[in-house]
Formats: sequence, C-alpha cells, structure tokens
Amino acid sequence: KAGVTQTPRYLIKTRGQQVTLSCSPISGHRSVSWYQQTPGQGLQFLFEYFSETQRNKGNFPGRFSGRQFSNSRSEMNVSTLELGDSALYLCASSLAGISNYGYTFGSGTRLTVV
Amino acid sequence: GQQLNQSPQSMFIQEGEDVSMNCTSSSIFNTWLWYKQDPGEGPVLLIALYKAGELTSNGRLTAQFGITRKDSFLNISASIPSDVGIYFCAGLLASGGSNYKLTFGKGTLLTVNP
Repeated sequence: KAGVTQTPRYLIKTRGQQVTLSCSPISGHRSVSWYQQTPGQGLQFLFEYFSETQRNKGNFPGRFSGRQFSNSRSEMNVSTLELGDSALYLCASSLAGISNYGYTFGSGTRLTVV
Repeated sequence: GQQLNQSPQSMFIQEGEDVSMNCTSSSIFNTWLWYKQDPGEGPVLLIALYKAGELTSNGRLTAQFGITRKDSFLNISASIPSDVGIYFCAGLLASGGSNYKLTFGKGTLLTVNP
C-alpha cells in the first residue's frame, strides 16, 4: 500500500512569500501531523489534524497554518516567510492518533527561504 | 516544557560492533518510540514501548522502557553499514482523550565504518 506522500520534495522561496505544502496520508489513515525539522532544533511538532479538525497544536506562530480535507489529505501553509523557516517539513499519518503504534512519516518537503 | 536528552549526539563505530544510545527526561511518558532517519527521508518507526520495564526486540535492535518512565535505551547488535543514519527517541505523554504531546530527542548520528 502506498506510503505517506508529500509534495513538492524541494522548494525555494523568497522572504515575505507564502508557501503551501501538501501531504497525502496512507489510505484509511485519518490523523495527519506536521513537523518542522532543523539541525538546531530537531523535530518540532506543528499541529495535528483528525477528521478535518485541528486536534493538537505546537508552539509556532500564527504564520503557520494547516487544514485537512474530507479525504484526509492535508495542506500546510506558511505566510510571510522568514529565513528561519528554512527546514525539512515532515508529515506523518496514523489511523487515529499517536497511540496507534506511532506515525508513518513521509519523505518531507525541503523548504529553502532566500 | 518537556525536554528529552538523547545521547550520544554522534557515534563512529566499526562494522560488527554493538551500539547503545539512550534518552532521559525530567518528565514521565506513557510511550517511548524509537525512529531511524536516512538522509533525505522521513523517520521510520523501529520500536514502540508501552509499559514501564518493557523490553522489546526487532531483529538486531533491542529497546527498553525505563522503570521510572523517564528514560529509554536502544541497543543495536552486530552493526552493519546500512545501520548508518540518525536515530531519534520520542516520548509520548497522553493526558486524556485526544490530548497528547510527542517530544523528540535531538537524535544520535550513527556512522559505521566497514
């Protein structure tokens, strides 16, 4: 069965622009979580969506937002990009939440802000 | 907030050697997870631990959930070149319903010399 698919794999944006990243979870998975990974901070939790509702949220500014569609696909949006937003953004899906044997991660979207 | 201290930060070993890494926290967790991340990919779940004192194996990998619920270790026996990657621990604290917090360690970079 197909894994978690994230698009695009690589992205270069300019400061001040906005960006939208996409994540298609494993078929049947209803929970989608987003993480930011940087060398200095490691993996930082952004938010989690379940059945189109944001269920948990990390400590990121309001420039970071997301949504989930009825087919469980999720998008993450970052507005007014800053240089510090350069990171690997990872999406992870699970059947109903973290309690189900953890997540399955996608390969990530590498965002570079110049 | 919760902090996970993962050590060592990096390891350089010879093929065939055993490896041990651990994570400690000042807070207790309900679940410990161990992931491996290859370059350019998302983390892949290796082992999940759900009970204090639990010892679980997955091939050459063995992990334990500490009795105090504040620590966990991962051992890799007879290392091979494909063990190269970054290993992350993650602690989950579920506080009822859909409220949970998953915290990742900063990772251990493992290099195996053939």
